[in-house]
Amino acid sequence: GIQVEQSPPDLILQEGANSTLRCNFSDSVNNLQWFHQNPWGQLINLFYIPSGTKQNGRLSATTVATERYSLLYISSSQTTDSGVYFCAVESGYSTLTFGKGTMLLVSP
Amino acid sequence: ETGVTQTPRHLVMGMTNKKSLKCEQHLGHNAMYWYKQSAKKPLELMFVYNFKEQTENNSVPSRFSPECPNSSHLFLHLHTLQPEDSALYLCASSPKTGGPGEAFFGQGTRLTVV
Repeated sequence: GIQVEQSPPDLILQEGANSTLRCNFSDSVNNLQWFHQNPWGQLINLFYIPSGTKQNGRLSATTVATERYSLLYISSSQTTDSGVYFCAVESGYSTLTFGKGTMLLVSP
Repeated sequence: ETGVTQTPRHLVMGMTNKKSLKCEQHLGHNAMYWYKQSAKKPLELMFVYNFKEQTENNSVPSRFSPECPNSSHLFLHLHTLQPEDSALYLCASSPKTGGPGEAFFGQGTRLTVV
């Protein structure tokens, strides 16, 4: 099946700092999503972005499908941004497959 | 109510009990999924249903039995579980398998087997 690798696995930031999370995938995809898992376990949809660039407030994401990677940018981080960020992809033959996630901790 | 709803949110059960997890989606989607997330592990796909037909069983033990009576409802029947089955169980839905289309997740059921 398709492979999804996320980096870095862990990230510690001071409040106000910016960060970039990366997701590499092994094959062409027709779905790519970024999720934030809150402390209660719920997966919050951040972006549905199989290609191109999107922005939502302090967050933005870019997927370069031809080079098989996606980036999630967090600017001016806040403590409420803490949690685990997952990238998930789906191809024509593979169901939504998750990476191992990036654990983000934003300290005040 | 909108989105994907899972009940119960928390469940404690003995190894000899039988219980069921319920998932309901109000998004008009045709695909539904069960995922398992154990502590400090990534999400593992368990089952996939597309237009009420099971299309994927990811080598899940038979003590987990899924049921999809229609495209809006998905159940996970549990019996004679083991303590290592304690985990967060997440339900998701999407327009159909293989995409395109955005998937949405429920709040999860946190299961403890004692």
